[in-house]
Amino acid sequence: NAGVMQNPRHLVRRRGQEARLRCSPMKGHSHVYWYRQLPEEGLKFMVYLQKENIIDESGMPKERFSAEFPKEGPSILRIQQVVRGDSAAYFCASSGQETQYFGPGTRLLVL
Amino acid sequence: TQLLEQSPQFLSIQEGENLTVYCNSSSVFSSLQWYRQEPGEGPVLLVTVVTGGEVKKLKRLTFQFGDARKDSSLHITAAQPGDTGLYLCAGRVGDDKIIFGKGTRLHILP
Repeated sequence: NAGVMQNPRHLVRRRGQEARLRCSPMKGHSHVYWYRQLPEEGLKFMVYLQKENIIDESGMPKERFSAEFPKEGPSILRIQQVVRGDSAAYFCASSGQETQYFGPGTRLLVL
Repeated sequence: TQLLEQSPQFLSIQEGENLTVYCNSSSVFSSLQWYRQEPGEGPVLLVTVVTGGEVKKLKRLTFQFGDARKDSSLHITAAQPGDTGLYLCAGRVGDDKIIFGKGTRLHILP
């Protein structure tokens, strides 16, 4: 019974490159959430998706960030033209009903 | 803006002592979760509380949901070094919005 899977666990990018973070939800879960966590901070909501639909993207920066959850395959958080301030841990969570279960996160470092 | 305030932000106590951390808001939540997060890992769910006034126990951890469903507390009895970590509370508002507090960073000294 696999939990939420994220890859890569660590990602290093230079300024201006693109970062793609993947999340496979728990089996049977159709809701995916992305969060960002800065060092010594809590989790900041970014986006909530169901299959092929963005339900709430109120936490997503207006530029350079996008997310999708296709009918087949993992959810993807895409950051274009990364800047140093994008360095953070990005967590994905999936839920069936009330409770969210988190993946291990992707730690993005922008040089 | 809905906010979840957690207090204290940092807590360092000796092994064997008791402690309580708090999670407060002006918003009403349909449910509230507590998570523990260790360095380099994702948050791990400890408990979900749903009913106002509900109390749940998990070994030495006792969780309480306020009567008005706006606040919660986590009490740890006889703390152990393995309890060290970041404790996050998260409240669900409506059908799909979940708000996280900034967490309480707990350090238990052996």
